[in-house]
Amino acid sequence: DTAVSQTPKYLVTQMGNDKSIKCEQNLGHDTMYWYKQDSKKFLKIMFSYNNKELIINETVPNRFSPKSPDKAHLNLHINSLELGDSAVYFCASSQGRGVNYGYTFGSGTRLTVV
Amino acid sequence: KQEVTQIPAALSVPEGENLVLNCSFTDSAIYNLQWFRQDPGKGLTSLLLIQSSQREQTSGRLNASLDKSSGRSTLYIAASQPGDSATYLCAATGTASKLTFGTGTRLQVTL
Repeated sequence: DTAVSQTPKYLVTQMGNDKSIKCEQNLGHDTMYWYKQDSKKFLKIMFSYNNKELIINETVPNRFSPKSPDKAHLNLHINSLELGDSAVYFCASSQGRGVNYGYTFGSGTRLTVV
Repeated sequence: KQEVTQIPAALSVPEGENLVLNCSFTDSAIYNLQWFRQDPGKGLTSLLLIQSSQREQTSGRLNASLDKSSGRSTLYIAASQPGDSATYLCAATGTASKLTFGTGTRLQVTL
């Protein structure tokens, strides 16, 4: 199936740990994104990569570091996890800037920090 | 800074009713506007994409309109069904390919 896939789907971890979320798309898109959905269900962009190059870096703590080994993958690494990092993280992709065909989203990773 | 607002925040209608969801945005310099559906605990499913040069798009029972000058979009759902129950999100694509989401409308279609 053509899609944006994220792993893991659920992640429960203790404060202070370091964790990674992986994202892969097989749509041939050249731009990938990470979005965070908070407890109030509001979605906000965190990062965007175009052909492995960072193009959007919103006001996100530097404990969050995206890594794009190739244009089909965009991973999110989080250091020293805090309770406030608990949220659902969505990966998305688009061709170019999403102007012509919009965005395709993954099913999300629910991160719970205890 | 783009701000996207959706009204109402929640809506409950009986099956078979036609309904309209509203979306407004503050910056009219957008490339397109996209409507998504999110089921509880699930990801986002794209419903309709309207380019900035277009006025509306239709897919089955769904029709979305866009009025850039007034900063508004509407999603019209005809003959609603219980399976339409979900949260509907609108999002505007602005500069630097940044997608700004609205606050969402939680729709419940009752039998």
